[in-house]
Amino acid sequence: GQNIDQPTEMTATEGAIVQINCTYQTSGFNGLFWYQQHAGEAPTFLSYNVLDGLEEKGRFSSFLSRSKGYSYLLLKELQMKDSASYLCVLYNQGGKLIFGQGTELSVKP
Amino acid sequence: DTEVTQTPKHLVMGMTNKKSLKCEQHMGHRAMYWYKQKAKKPPELMFVYSYEKLSINESVPSRFSPECPNSSLLNLHLHALQPEDSALYLCASSQDPRAKTQYFGPGTRLLVL
Repeated sequence: GQNIDQPTEMTATEGAIVQINCTYQTSGFNGLFWYQQHAGEAPTFLSYNVLDGLEEKGRFSSFLSRSKGYSYLLLKELQMKDSASYLCVLYNQGGKLIFGQGTELSVKP
Repeated sequence: DTEVTQTPKHLVMGMTNKKSLKCEQHMGHRAMYWYKQKAKKPPELMFVYSYEKLSINESVPSRFSPECPNSSLLNLHLHALQPEDSALYLCASSQDPRAKTQYFGPGTRLLVL
């Protein structure tokens, strides 16, 4: 089976850095996504990791350690518009996306 | 064109009504998906279409009936729904069934009275 754990809520200050952690257990790992979802809107693709290491894309970076079943999403220079839910998503060998519960990030001035 | 569109944005229906949700993409993607999302919960996969054929049905009740008329369109026909079916219905597409990245539409917010 699959299990994904990520914090339910986080709060951070505008301009700061925040790290959202995700741990997972799966019998068939094929990659890990991070999606951003604003309230009432569709999830939008942020990053995809299949190999260990850090992927950087502008203010957003994502890290993966397959041996530890661990990933994090790092957001730098936080902006108010970054307030959203961040979904850690496994891509399993069955070709399905398995969504975590999401981390609700609130960015305060 | 790099987006997935869905209509309507909002839908209110009674339990005896029949309605349809529509999804369209013009990216040449050959896999399309329906998800259901309840408030403060992650999306749950309902159906997957690969090359216009239904490949996955996640044990969805028959009151939800998907249809893929062509490679650009995906419909979800609704009949005799229950109030607990009220949710955000998301459509997504990917280049093909093996492509990992899915692109989501804005969703249809459905309220069943």
